[in-house]
Amino acid sequence: EVQLLESGGGLVQPGGSLRLSCAASRFTFSNYAMNWVRQAPGKGLEWVAFISDSGGTTFYADFVKGRFTISRDNSINTLYLQMNSLRVEDTAVYYCAKEGPLVAAFDSWGQGALVSVSS
Amino acid sequence: QSALTQPASVSGSPGQSITISCTGTSSDVGSYNLVSWYQQHPGKAPQLILYAVSQRPSGVSNRFSGSKSGDTASLTISGLQTEDEADYYCCSYAGSRTLVFGGGTKLTVL
Repeated sequence: EVQLLESGGGLVQPGGSLRLSCAASRFTFSNYAMNWVRQAPGKGLEWVAFISDSGGTTFYADFVKGRFTISRDNSINTLYLQMNSLRVEDTAVYYCAKEGPLVAAFDSWGQGALVSVSS
Repeated sequence: QSALTQPASVSGSPGQSITISCTGTSSDVGSYNLVSWYQQHPGKAPQLILYAVSQRPSGVSNRFSGSKSGDTASLTISGLQTEDEADYYCCSYAGSRTLVFGGGTKLTVL
């Protein structure tokens, strides 16, 4: 069974930075595109960023463009999300999600990492 | 990238069928047969229940079905069971490798 384990969440002040990691196991990580999806407390899901299987192609939601960077290291089966210039409205649980049979089909999710942005 | 529109809540009795709608635009739902649905129980990660409008991943009950007409996709759950009580989210491809989710629908099984 696919395993995705996020880490790196925590409390940060507005304007600060944080890097999330997602350790993948039990599947061939380098064969699959990956995404980050977030969920603010009591709110719905929001797609944040996409990275291709090789890492050569990335896309972002408008609300994080220029502030967040998605990357991956296929040699250690790990996905990253570097978050800079954090805002209060970035407070959310951040999930890494494996892209499955087709675009928009996330067939495996991590347990989530909570990022709290507050002064 | 505006969120897709879903009803905030729906309810049904065990054994009944319910349908959740997901309305987008001609730039997302209306342009691509790449709509997926996710089930999320409280405190848990979402789980994929349908993709490509109507395809079920292995292991998902055939009580879950999907369809699309124009800019609106729909999820139907037949033979409602108490364990179906959860939040449901639709998601659509919106071009240029971007995605948009619906606001979510809380399903209550009475």
